[in-house]
Amino acid sequence: AQSVAQPEDQVNVAEGNPLTVKCTYSVSGNPYLFWYVQYPNRGLQFLLKYITGDNLVKGSYGFEAEFNKSQTSFHLKKPSALVSDSALYFCAVSPGKSSASKIIFGSGTRLSIRP
Amino acid sequence: GAGVSQSPSNKVTEKGKDVELRCDPISGHTALYWYRQSLGQGLEFLIYFQGNSAPDKSGLPSDRFSAERTGGSVSTLTIQRTQQEDSAVYLCASSLVTSGSTDTQYFGPGTRLTVL
Repeated sequence: AQSVAQPEDQVNVAEGNPLTVKCTYSVSGNPYLFWYVQYPNRGLQFLLKYITGDNLVKGSYGFEAEFNKSQTSFHLKKPSALVSDSALYFCAVSPGKSSASKIIFGSGTRLSIRP
Repeated sequence: GAGVSQSPSNKVTEKGKDVELRCDPISGHTALYWYRQSLGQGLEFLIYFQGNSAPDKSGLPSDRFSAERTGGSVSTLTIQRTQQEDSAVYLCASSLVTSGSTDTQYFGPGTRLTVL
């Protein structure tokens, strides 16, 4: 069965420190991988995606993610956290070429950056 | 261009009433999703439309929930005989399907449903 796991419900980081939000997946084929962010009382916004090519993907607001095929992971990272990064983050995966190509979302990780 | 729009933005209804929620996807997007989100929690998948294929209804929580997509564009999610546990934000998203895989989803602002 296809699935996405975000093993941490909450991640707490001090401002200025690096942050990592973890995501692992289990799908067939060559997946498309996504990160979305939801700020308080706002809709979901696209951050970045991996389709093919360079395993390190750079996205909005200084975030980046690294696709690791052997570990089936797509962790979200940022070198220096800001208080304004505090939000709910969702990892998502679209399976490779398939008639059932719907996107699967992880359960979300709440990122809290303390000043 | 215009993004995904949803209406109404807020809906308050009494238990037992039927409600209809509308989603206008981005023009040209063949894939359309409905999700439910309760109080800043995760996304609960409800239903997925892709082109002319039969919709994936595997996420609908009960037979009180149904959805249709007319002409491959606008979608309506209907909840019959609403219950208090149906209270949530209902999100719609649309995307292109490229090379057989679903590309970036664009989300609407959601409809906040409150069942009294």
